[in-house]
This record gives sequence, C-alpha cells and structure tokens, in this order.
Amino acid sequence: EPEVTQTPSHQVTQMGQEVILRCVPISNHLYFYWYRQILGQKVEFLVSFYNNEISEKSEIFDDQFSVERPDGSNFTLKIRSTKLEDSAMYFCASSGRQNYGYTFGSGTRLTVV
Amino acid sequence: DQQVKQNSPSLSVQEGRISILNCDYTNSMFDYFLWYKKYPAEGPTFLISISSIKDKNEDGRFTVFLNKSAKHLSLHIVPSQPGDSAVYFCAASGVSSNTGKLIFGQGTTLQVKP
Repeated sequence: EPEVTQTPSHQVTQMGQEVILRCVPISNHLYFYWYRQILGQKVEFLVSFYNNEISEKSEIFDDQFSVERPDGSNFTLKIRSTKLEDSAMYFCASSGRQNYGYTFGSGTRLTVV
Repeated sequence: DQQVKQNSPSLSVQEGRISILNCDYTNSMFDYFLWYKKYPAEGPTFLISISSIKDKNEDGRFTVFLNKSAKHLSLHIVPSQPGDSAVYFCAASGVSSNTGKLIFGQGTTLQVKP
C-alpha cells in the first residue's frame, strides 16, 4: 500500500538552529499538509500546499516556518530558528483530492534543547 | 480553540463488546467528519468518514453516526478486538475552507481487554 515517508524519525537540535523535516508524499497525490502534535496535546494544522503554493496556514505557521516542494517528489518543512516550544511530533500528510481522508506519515519527533 | 471536542480521554471495553467513542463540534460550517486511529510512534491512520448529507456510514466493524442538530458524532466498533487498542481522533473539515484543513479533537485512548 502506498505510504507517506518522513525522515528523519527523530531530530535533536539546539535552540536557534535551523531544521529541515523531509517528506515524500504518495506519488500521485496533489494536496500536501504539515501537522504537529505537542506531547499530550491535540494534532494541530500547520499548513496546506497545493499547486506549488501555500493554500492555507495556521497562526502557528509564522515567519520562522517555510515549506517547499523542491523536486516534485519531496515536500519539506523548514524551521529557521528553532525554539524550545517547537518540540513536537511533526506529521506530513498527502491526499489525492480535497476533503478526503489523508494519508499521514509516521512523523518526525523534533526535540529542541 | 475547542471547535472539536472529545470529552472522554479514555475508554476501556471487553473484547467482543461494542466500543462507542464520542465527539462534539461547535462550528456549524463543518460538513465533513473523519475518524483516525493512532498507535504510538506512528502517524494517524484514516478509518472512516461521513459527510453532513448523511447520518450514518458503515465500513465493516466501524460505523460512524452524525447528529447534525446536536453537533455530535460517534464511532461504534463492533465487535471490539484487542488490536483496536489505540488513540482515536475525531476530525472535522469545512468545504468552505477550500484546502482540506482538518481540525482534530484531543483524542480518546481505547483499551480493549482480552
């Protein structure tokens, strides 16, 4: 069964450093998403991406965050200067069409120290 | 922002019995609802969905019921199996958002005892 692949599975970084979280969505999907889940809290929407541009972003997704689909297969989330409160599980997801059940990746656990 | 709420953090049922997981929402613009299951160290897995034009959708052991007037949905699992033990998230989306963004509830941890 097709799956969404995320790397790395765990990333530890120092506060203030840049991190790039990588995702390979399902190949024929058109809609891409990043969500995060802080430990013990709900899964929160960060950003949606369609047709090579951001279609919606949450208030969490401030200027420190950016997304890119550099080569037609990868979908990346960059955090420019990490803060302690960025520590969370980050999930990438993709969908073949809007308003349909997404396929999520297994997540990247980001720990900012 | 508590647009989607799952008021029961946990539920324990005996194998073979029915599991009922509940979810309430406040935003009347939501018109598509989904249930996801999540195991530790894995991403959420899509289970079943329902659009607001229906009040019931069934897929094998899983049935989702939607009561629009009460802004309430529930997931029934019959019969429950130990492998169903996981965290279950309710999520909602509005066609008006135009992006497929999902709003998740806090999750309910289901434990099915053998």
